[in-house]
Amino acid sequence: EVQLVQSGAEVKRPGESLKISCEASGYNFATYWIAWMRQMPGKGLEWMGVIFPDDSDVRYNPSFQGQVTISADKPTRTVYLQWHSLKASDTATYYCARSEVESLRHAFGVWGQGSLVNVSS
Amino acid sequence: ETVMTQSPATLSVSPGERATLSCRASQNIRSNLAWYQQRPGQAPRLLIYSASTRATGIPARFSGSGSGTEFTLSISSLQSEDSAVYFCHQYHDWYAFGQGTKLEIK
Repeated sequence: EVQLVQSGAEVKRPGESLKISCEASGYNFATYWIAWMRQMPGKGLEWMGVIFPDDSDVRYNPSFQGQVTISADKPTRTVYLQWHSLKASDTATYYCARSEVESLRHAFGVWGQGSLVNVSS
Repeated sequence: ETVMTQSPATLSVSPGERATLSCRASQNIRSNLAWYQQRPGQAPRLLIYSASTRATGIPARFSGSGSGTEFTLSISSLQSEDSAVYFCHQYHDWYAFGQGTKLEIK
């Protein structure tokens, strides 16, 4: 079964760092694009960035460039989303999702369950 | 940057009826459009890709149409379980999502 399993909920203070994860199983991890999306409370989906694990080619939505770092580790089949200094406005649910078609940027056919990040002083 | 605009923001339809949701792209995205359903507390689920192809396991009640800048998602024989927010998503020019249409079943 193709699956993306994300790390659990986090409660952090402003200024702290955080790295959340998305572990893939059931398919050839290296050759499918995986993206991260943000969903703020009661709002829509925003694309943050996308990575091709085979060569770690990463592209960021300009709105998130410099604010987060996306990386992938092929041996553990895991993609990461990292912040160096969180803000209260980073409070949201974050989803990873896999491209529906191998090697192509495409619709997202497989989604993780979401990771809730709460940043509060 | 391609901007996606959905209408209406909210739609209320009776069970058994048909719902029609619209999505407009700010530039030509050919058929590089997907639709997702998101129920409260759940991750989005892919319904339609390439504007009109149903994803695996999606009932034939869901259909998509359009190309270029105008797209439609139709849901026939509405059931209570169809109550959700529906998002369109273009993947022609990197990615962008519409703001969503909330579908309520009366």
